[in-house]
Amino acid sequence: NAGVTQTPKFQVLKTGQSMTLQCAQDMNHEYMSWYRQDPGMGLRLIHYSVGAGITDQGEVPNGYNVSRSTTEDFPLRLLSAAPSQTSVYFCASRDREAYGYTFGSGTRLTVV
Amino acid sequence: AQRVTQPEKLLSVFKGAPVELKCNYSYSGSPELFWYVQYSRQRLQLLLRHISRESIKGFTADLNKGETSFHLKKPFAQEEDSAMYYCALGGRQGGSEKLVFGKGTKLTVNP
Repeated sequence: NAGVTQTPKFQVLKTGQSMTLQCAQDMNHEYMSWYRQDPGMGLRLIHYSVGAGITDQGEVPNGYNVSRSTTEDFPLRLLSAAPSQTSVYFCASRDREAYGYTFGSGTRLTVV
Repeated sequence: AQRVTQPEKLLSVFKGAPVELKCNYSYSGSPELFWYVQYSRQRLQLLLRHISRESIKGFTADLNKGETSFHLKKPFAQEEDSAMYYCALGGRQGGSEKLVFGKGTKLTVNP
């Protein structure tokens, strides 16, 4: 039981490049979310999903796309990377009745 | 709208002293409150959930709906408690759910 797995752990991108941050969970959780963590800003919600085929925007969705074709996977796509997207990204999941959200170990992204 | 306020960015105490990390929330529905802890450069770990009313690592938190607060307390701080602490508010409306975090409080416990 791996929990929430994020790949890659580290990534450096050039401005304008695109990439996908992967998130997978093996707990059959319905709810999944993406956050970015920046110094002094805490964790801000980017996008979230309450089940396969259902996604919604969080606080800071601009520049990011998501899809949820399966229960297990919730990839986050950066369409055209900008230096302002330099951050640590966390994926989290939760079952409807679970105690709380389980977090992945994060992806540290640098955009130069 | 859901909102969480943690008024202290930094909190420093000595080992053995009591510690209280403040959290206030704003939400029109029925709130679900959590405390998460993040040790240096690690993933966030769930510390407490208000419904369970349990004590983890000596920490407790009581939901006060009148004051819209969910402060985290520990009577005797330990050096290993040094970490970032985040208060989070979950809300379910129309079948949807999202979890919103405060900006966090960095706790340092000095020897």
